[in-house]
Amino acid sequence: QKEVEQNSGPLSVPEGAIASLNCTYSDRVSQSFFWYRQYSGKSPELIMSIYSNGDKEDGRFTAQLNKASQYVSLLIRDSQPSDSATYLCAVSGKLIFGQGTELSVKP
Amino acid sequence: DAGVIQSPRHEVTEMGQEVTLRCKPISGHDYLFWYRQTMMRGLELLIYFNNNVPIDDSGMPEDRFSAKMPNASFSTLKIQPSEPRDSAVYFCASSLGTPNTGELFFGEGSRLTVL
Repeated sequence: QKEVEQNSGPLSVPEGAIASLNCTYSDRVSQSFFWYRQYSGKSPELIMSIYSNGDKEDGRFTAQLNKASQYVSLLIRDSQPSDSATYLCAVSGKLIFGQGTELSVKP
Repeated sequence: DAGVIQSPRHEVTEMGQEVTLRCKPISGHDYLFWYRQTMMRGLELLIYFNNNVPIDDSGMPEDRFSAKMPNASFSTLKIQPSEPRDSAVYFCASSLGTPNTGELFFGEGSRLTVL
């Protein structure tokens, strides 16, 4: 089992829709969770971090964490074509990254 | 402020040659990370340093890979001898404070092609 797993996609959503990205992790002692966005040919950049169970909202982005289920998700509301990128889930400890989910937002 | 600076941006070399990738972290950051990214394996942590000391090198694939951080403003990742399977984008990242709570700032990456 991989330490951090994500569906590779591509996930395609129409402009204005909600995009839902999911991530599961195997290490129960992990305390911190991060979502990074990576545009094609660019380096990853942090967009959200979450440490406690529940939801954390930042603008159009909402991160959700369920430690009992070892599950973290990212919701993007009112998706825009500029959100088209690969989204990487990262888990603390050694900052292990998932494979990433490619999101495509169609105008 | 300058971000993480990596060089070279692109390197094409032949199998068996030595490759050295360089990184200058953000001034004041005390953690430095080397990652490798491929389509097949995604973003893999190779090694990370805290205050210039290697903390975890369990991700270094084999003895052909070595990394050093002689001072707070410079790190190198060396591959000797290089092989075609080493072709990837190598990212350096730095952070202030423990990676459990801090943000990683990535450089633009060094794209390595081994023929």
